[in-house]
Amino acid sequence: DAKTTQPPSMDCAEGRAANLPCNHSTISGNEYVYWYRQIHSQGPQYIIHGLKNNETNEMASLIITEDRKSSTLILPHATLRDTAVYYCIVRSLNDYKLSFGAGTTVTVRA
Amino acid sequence: SAVISQKPSRDICQRGTSLTIQCQVDSQVTMMFWYRQQPGQSLTLIATANQGSEATYESGFVIDKFPISRPNLTFSTLTVSNMSPEDSSIYLCSVDTSGLYNEQFFGPGTRLTVL
Repeated sequence: DAKTTQPPSMDCAEGRAANLPCNHSTISGNEYVYWYRQIHSQGPQYIIHGLKNNETNEMASLIITEDRKSSTLILPHATLRDTAVYYCIVRSLNDYKLSFGAGTTVTVRA
Repeated sequence: SAVISQKPSRDICQRGTSLTIQCQVDSQVTMMFWYRQQPGQSLTLIATANQGSEATYESGFVIDKFPISRPNLTFSTLTVSNMSPEDSSIYLCSVDTSGLYNEQFFGPGTRLTVL
């Protein structure tokens, strides 16, 4: 019962922006969009989250459409170390469970 | 943030035996979670472990197979009992720091191979 849909894989060039899409058409009003990534042989790492406004931190930017049915994670200047599986997760703040889908395997190429 | 360590980092075990995985956090946290990641798959939540209460298991996971202890606010163990090759996975613990963003922090995982 995945709440999000992501492309299985994508490549991007080192130094370029990587735009990772996520569809969450059944998102409810109190649910946030969270992004995590998992670098090979490591545990997942929190990246960013948002409700309806665009968000930016030192790692990435999150663009959420006005109807909140989709979002895009932007890695502004991808490096080889950004190669990882990226997970888009929908959850409410009082729901501590993280439901991981298949994610998008991002490969950054030199 | 929270720094999480797990022991062992990896192990190879014989079928029918049990393995206990330890998770240590550098700060006191209320909620700890155990996940399983089967080869080539995404993470699946096994259970939520709160100090002072019984662990809450997700559908498909039972206490007899995956007993969990949570003796204090910085430590938890997960035991994989009566192992079979299908239990070969990475087992990860995570914590929710109940901070501003409700983000979870994950340990490095324990890679288990059952022969």
